[in-house]
Amino acid sequence: DGGITQSPKYLFRKEGQNVTLSCEQNLNHDAMYWYRQDPGQGLRLIYYSQIVNDFQKGDIAEGYSVSREKKESFPLTVTSAQKNPTAFYLCASTLGGRDTYSNQPQHFGDGTRLSIL
Amino acid sequence: GDSVTQMEGPVTLSEEAFLTINCTYTATGYPSLFWYVQYPGEGLQLLLKATKADDKGSNKGFEATYRKETTSFHLEKGSVQVSDSAVYFCALRDDKIIFGKGTRLHILP
Repeated sequence: DGGITQSPKYLFRKEGQNVTLSCEQNLNHDAMYWYRQDPGQGLRLIYYSQIVNDFQKGDIAEGYSVSREKKESFPLTVTSAQKNPTAFYLCASTLGGRDTYSNQPQHFGDGTRLSIL
Repeated sequence: GDSVTQMEGPVTLSEEAFLTINCTYTATGYPSLFWYVQYPGEGLQLLLKATKADDKGSNKGFEATYRKETTSFHLEKGSVQVSDSAVYFCALRDDKIIFGKGTRLHILP
């Protein structure tokens, strides 16, 4: 079955450390997204990518970085510059970019919960 | 800009009660509308969608109708179950994808 796989499910970060969250999809989707979800809150967009080797900042990109070297993969690095990284991180994908296939929904992974040691 | 507003929770109901979760939107174009559900510790799953005015999306006993005249997409279910306890998100997709803040639903046995 096609889907989105996020790993690890739980991750702990020490002070001053960068950590990378993995997101892989086998849906052949063009666009991929990273969201942050804080307790009792909605989703906030961190970064998105519509095609390979291209990505754009979302609403809260500071302290995060991404790469899109392959269509299937969109890893997120939480850098030491992100002072409040404790949150639930969700990766999503859609068929088509933001201005195409607008009737297509997003597909989500099961999330990675990041905590500070 | 585009936005989605949904009723704040938590919403607490008894089993077999009627459910309505309100969602209204603003958009400059003609968006598609979606309801997602999130169970504890999981990602979001698509519950239903509607792509044009007067369309009705339905799934698992849930329904929502795309009302262009009132810019609304309210989620309804005639008889809720304990297993429906989750967080529900309304969303629109036009040139952007916009989510509401989510509504937590508790169903008591």
